[in-house]
Amino acid sequence: DGGITQSPKYLFRKEGQNVTLSCEQNLNHDAMYWYRQDPGQGLRLIYYSQIVNDFQKGDIAEGYSVSREKKESFPLTVTSAQKNPTAFYLCASSMGGFSAEAFFGQGTRLTVV
Amino acid sequence: GQQVMQIPQYQHVQEGEDFTTYCNSSTTLSNIQWYKQRPGGHPVFLIQLVKSGEVKKQKRLTFQFGEAKKNSSLHITATQTTDVGTYFCAGAPRPSGSARQLTFGSGTQLTVLP
Repeated sequence: DGGITQSPKYLFRKEGQNVTLSCEQNLNHDAMYWYRQDPGQGLRLIYYSQIVNDFQKGDIAEGYSVSREKKESFPLTVTSAQKNPTAFYLCASSMGGFSAEAFFGQGTRLTVV
Repeated sequence: GQQVMQIPQYQHVQEGEDFTTYCNSSTTLSNIQWYKQRPGGHPVFLIQLVKSGEVKKQKRLTFQFGEAKKNSSLHITATQTTDVGTYFCAGAPRPSGSARQLTFGSGTQLTVLP
């Protein structure tokens, strides 16, 4: 089945540690995105990538990093520089741009302990 | 920057009652999308509106795009317990094509009481 897969579903991190969230898609989509969701708030864009080996900062990129070495994969690293990393992280993909619908993964809930 | 406001933030309805959520943008939009997120789940695309004044229906759901392309609404007729979830609008300002510019509203969390 085609889709977008995020792992792990739940992640616990100690303060001061970096952690990487995985996102894989087999939809052959060019564009991939990372969003952060906090309770009572909408989705805020962290990073996006329109093509392989290229990515752009979103509205809240500070404390995060990404790579896009393969079309299928767009991992997100939450670094120790992120002041408040506890949140629900959603990865999405689309055919390109945002005139096309976005397909979301199941999400990763990150908790800093 | 662009802002997309969505109201109400929460809505409790009795099963069978109607429900409406409203989305307002600070800038003219090229298109608007609607998503539904079930509790504990991820957003799922519902529909996209592109034309000024456009109205689309999906069974009990009616979506409207304002004449000025700055506001939109989602109306659910005779809610059912399966409608529970958070409904998000997401707008892209003119010109379209930049993923960075898709801005999500804060969502309306719908609770349907049986």
